[in-house]
Amino acid sequence: DGGITQSPKYLFRKEGQNVTLSCEQNLNHDAMYWYRQDPGQGLRLIYYSQIVNDFQKGDIAEGYSVSREKKESFPLTVTSAQKNPTAFYLCASSSYRDRSTDTQYFGPGTRLTVL
Amino acid sequence: AQSVTQPDIHITVSEGASLELRCNYSYGATPYLFWYVQSPGQGLQLLLKYFSGDTLVQGIKGFEAEFKRSQSSFNLRKPSVHWSDAAEYFCAVGYNNDMRFGAGTRLTVKP
Repeated sequence: DGGITQSPKYLFRKEGQNVTLSCEQNLNHDAMYWYRQDPGQGLRLIYYSQIVNDFQKGDIAEGYSVSREKKESFPLTVTSAQKNPTAFYLCASSSYRDRSTDTQYFGPGTRLTVL
Repeated sequence: AQSVTQPDIHITVSEGASLELRCNYSYGATPYLFWYVQSPGQGLQLLLKYFSGDTLVQGIKGFEAEFKRSQSSFNLRKPSVHWSDAAEYFCAVGYNNDMRFGAGTRLTVKP
């Protein structure tokens, strides 16, 4: 089955620790995205990548880092510099590189809780 | 400032009743318009989208949406809601290589 997988589904972190969220797609999509979802705030873009070895900051990139070494993979690291990391994180991908018009395909999400 | 607004945070409807979810946008030109649905604990799935042409757009799961330029709106409708439609619904707006999502409307379906 083609799709996007995210792991783990639930993640607990102690304050001061970095954690990495996995996102893999087998849709052969060029573009990939990371969003953060908080209640009542919709989706906010953290980072996006439109091609391998290139990525751009979104609206709330502070305290996060990404890499795009392979087309199918776009891991997100939540660093200790992120002041309020507890949230639901969604990864998405799309075929082309026009964020205005592309349908985005979403993974099932990772819920991160900082203890 | 450019924005997308979903005025209703939470809506409750009875099963079998009709549904309308509101979406308004504020952009200089007509943007590209989308509706996505998110089931609890899941990612988002595209319901429908509007780029141009017929202002009434049909989507999956029996949903439709109507673009009204004069009102800067793109409201989502369904004639008869099923219990499985309970979810969160997001309007999204694409413009100038950017995509913005509304805050979402949570739909509860009463038996």
